Amino acid sequence: EPEVTQTPSHQVTQMGQEVILRCVPISNHLYFYWYRQILGQKVEFLVSFYNNEISEKSEIFDDQFSVERPDGSNFTLKIRSTKLEDSAMYFCASSYGGMNTEAFFGQGTRLTVV
Amino acid sequence: AQKVTQAQTEISVVEKEDVTLDCVYETRDTTYYLFWYKQPPSGELVFLIRRNSFDEQNEISGRYSWNFQKSTSSFNFTITASQVVDSAVYFCALSEVNRDDKIIFGKGTRLHILP
Repeated sequence: EPEVTQTPSHQVTQMGQEVILRCVPISNHLYFYWYRQILGQKVEFLVSFYNNEISEKSEIFDDQFSVERPDGSNFTLKIRSTKLEDSAMYFCASSYGGMNTEAFFGQGTRLTVV
Repeated sequence: AQKVTQAQTEISVVEKEDVTLDCVYETRDTTYYLFWYKQPPSGELVFLIRRNSFDEQNEISGRYSWNFQKSTSSFNFTITASQVVDSAVYFCALSEVNRDDKIIFGKGTRLHILP
């Protein structure tokens, strides 16, 4: 069964460092997303990406965040200068026709900022 | 305003009991989708069901069943004959078709199935 793959599964970084979280969406999917879940809290939308551009972003997704689909298969989330409050589980998701179709989530990357 | 409310923060039941997880949603759209996701202790999000607003038929999948009632804006999830492996956090979620392309999650219900 096709799946969304995220690497690494766990990333520890020092405050102020840049991190890149990587995702390989399902190959024929067209819509890509990042969500975040601070420990013990709900899953929150960060950004959606379609046709090589951001289609929507939340207020969480400020100038410190960026996304890219560099090579047609990977979908990355970059945090430029990490803060302690960026510590969370980050989920990548992809779908063929938008979130109203079945969206598949990756297993998540746990980011710990120290 | 919270769009998806899961009033039960945590539930514990003994194995083999039935358990219902409540979900109440809020939307002005006439076209929307509702979802349930399971998050086991390993952390991933597992898709369980997607239901569109025009389909109020209840759904059963093995020990899982869902009751969608537009009149009360509820989309409740029942696990019959619960098992220890059902222990997880369960999220109800909403997607408003004409508004934006994202899923709004509830805060989740942590379900403990006791042996």
